[in-house]
Amino acid sequence: AQSVTQLDSHVSVSEGTPVLLRCNYSSSYSPSLFWYVQHPNKGLQLLLKYTSAATLVKGINGFEAEFKKSETSFHLTKPSAHMSDAAEYFCVVSPISGGYQKVTFGTGTKLQVIP
Amino acid sequence: DGGITQSPKYLFRKEGQNVTLSCEQNLNHDAMYWYRQDPGQGLRLIYYSQIVNDFQKGDIAEGYSVSREKKESFPLTVTSAQKNPTAFYLCASSVGLAGNTDTQYFGPGTRLTVL
Repeated sequence: AQSVTQLDSHVSVSEGTPVLLRCNYSSSYSPSLFWYVQHPNKGLQLLLKYTSAATLVKGINGFEAEFKKSETSFHLTKPSAHMSDAAEYFCVVSPISGGYQKVTFGTGTKLQVIP
Repeated sequence: DGGITQSPKYLFRKEGQNVTLSCEQNLNHDAMYWYRQDPGQGLRLIYYSQIVNDFQKGDIAEGYSVSREKKESFPLTVTSAQKNPTAFYLCASSVGLAGNTDTQYFGPGTRLTVL
């Protein structure tokens, strides 16, 4: 069994300040972990993914995430928020082996960026 | 440009009607997926297909049907048996299902409203 928990449904930051979006997971298998971003009424776009290589993963638009097995976490960070970062972010977990059925999406975190 | 297209962007349905949502990809991907997104919930898998002429039920397949007659096309029919069809529908594709490390590429979505 596996699950993913996004600890905050809404996060609000001021432009130019750091962003932290939290994600915890549980998985019986070695997981792959993804962060996707969704702008209003749009599809999801991949920000970054972890697939058992380096634990610190760098993605697009200055985002990065660190896989911490001991804490079962995969938090998304960015040093300085831009207005264009306002969107909804989804953490996704799947086992590295196994059928597609086991891919699990988090419930999302809406990021608000205040000018 | 390579990518996934979905049409229409907005769709209105009367109760008791079947409607079909289109999804086309020119990425030469083998795997395709349909998800449903409701406010405050993560994406839920409706159907997926690994290869032409083959598809599998996801977590919430009841009231939906699909076909995969061509590699690039994976239409979804929302039937009158789906009791609560109002939602945002997302189509995705990936190179394959192998290992579940594959990135999914999403279309822009179709918003279905039942009148």
